[in-house]
Amino acid sequence: KQEVTQIPAALSVPEGENLVLNCSFTDSAIYNLQWFRQDPGKGLTSLLLIQSSQREQTSGRLNASLDKSSGRSTLYIAASQPGDSATYLCAVNPSGTYKYIFGTGTRLKVLA
Amino acid sequence: DARVTQTPRHKVTEMGQEVTMRCQPILGHNTVFWYRQTMMQGLELLAYFRNRAPLDDSGMPKDRFSAEMPDATLATLKIQPSEPRDSAVYFCASGRITGGGFEQYFGPGTRLTVT
Repeated sequence: KQEVTQIPAALSVPEGENLVLNCSFTDSAIYNLQWFRQDPGKGLTSLLLIQSSQREQTSGRLNASLDKSSGRSTLYIAASQPGDSATYLCAVNPSGTYKYIFGTGTRLKVLA
Repeated sequence: DARVTQTPRHKVTEMGQEVTMRCQPILGHNTVFWYRQTMMQGLELLAYFRNRAPLDDSGMPKDRFSAEMPDATLATLKIQPSEPRDSAVYFCASGRITGGGFEQYFGPGTRLTVT
């Protein structure tokens, strides 16, 4: 059974710092991995999608990497800003299915 | 700007009442998901449909929950009878497979409170 873990559960950093959020999954048989952002009381916003054949994806100050064999993905945020404060979730799409399994998220606070 | 819409956004009801939540997926998306989010359990997949056919509803309490897709533009999640432990935020998401992979897009959610 696929399980997704995100560490740390919460993180506080000063503005301007570069940071890394971690996501690990137990079964390497995945089709996609998707990173989301959730603001308090809101829905999930897709940030980056990585297909299993890819190693990384970039969007602006965000870079997501995928190491399928070791069951890990990281989300790198460069030059963090207070507006980046949110909960970040990763989700894996197991091969042969259309569903996603979510991690419990990392709650990020960027201090001005 | 295509997006998933959900109604109602908030619902307060008494235990034992029927609750129906509705979702309009993004036009052209053929896969629709229902999730429930609570502080304790996080985000749980309840059920999902592909081309309107239910593919997996193993995450859903069968005795009181039901999910349907009467047409390609409407998905419903019904709870009957509702219980206080059903209080949560219910999200609908839709997606389709493209050359870039399979990406999900979430609606804003329905916040359900059962008293």
